[in-house]
Amino acid sequence: GESVGLHLPTLSVQEGDNSIINCAYSNSASDYFIWYKQESGKGPQFIIDIRSNMDKRQGQRVTVLLNKTVKHLSLQIAATQPGDSAVYFCAEKHNQGGKLIFGQGTELSVKP
Amino acid sequence: EPEVTQTPSHQVTQMGQEVILRCVPISNHLYFYWYRQILGQKVEFLVSFYNNEISEKSEIFDDQFSVERPDGSNFTLKIRSTKLEDSAMYFCASSVSGTVAYEQYFGPGTRLTVT
Repeated sequence: GESVGLHLPTLSVQEGDNSIINCAYSNSASDYFIWYKQESGKGPQFIIDIRSNMDKRQGQRVTVLLNKTVKHLSLQIAATQPGDSAVYFCAEKHNQGGKLIFGQGTELSVKP
Repeated sequence: EPEVTQTPSHQVTQMGQEVILRCVPISNHLYFYWYRQILGQKVEFLVSFYNNEISEKSEIFDDQFSVERPDGSNFTLKIRSTKLEDSAMYFCASSVSGTVAYEQYFGPGTRLTVT
């Protein structure tokens, strides 16, 4: 069946280091992938997205990479800051209607 | 910046009781969604709503659940007879369009505790 999942449940990094959060998906028909950040007690917050016809997209301090061959998505955060500490979810979307299918989540902890 | 709001932030109810969770989507958005997140688990899609009718619903969204847009601003999720397993965070989201390119904006959530 369809699923979007994450490789690692927790990730601890030193402030200033780069972070890489990974995600595997199984539905090759998905045409849109999104990374969300969820801080404690808050709803998911959009970070960056990528269409399936792209390999890479960059934002401010964040980069998303898509490898369709192995159905793998990653989020790279440059110069990680304490404010980046949160749970990160990948999600996929396809078809009209916009239903999001979320992965399991990775908790990022940034040590000062 | 416009945002999705939800009330209440925390709702405690007894098993078998009816609850209504309320959401005010962003004003120019046309697509509305409910998701839930059981503690420590991933966010799960419940239902999408457009043009005053359900567009899509998940297996979770059974006959105990209903959604309504009673006026021009509110979007509600009703659970008719709550069960212990309904305890979760419930998130409302809205978007301008249902096509893939449009971002869904999430509210802060309502924590539902069924005792």
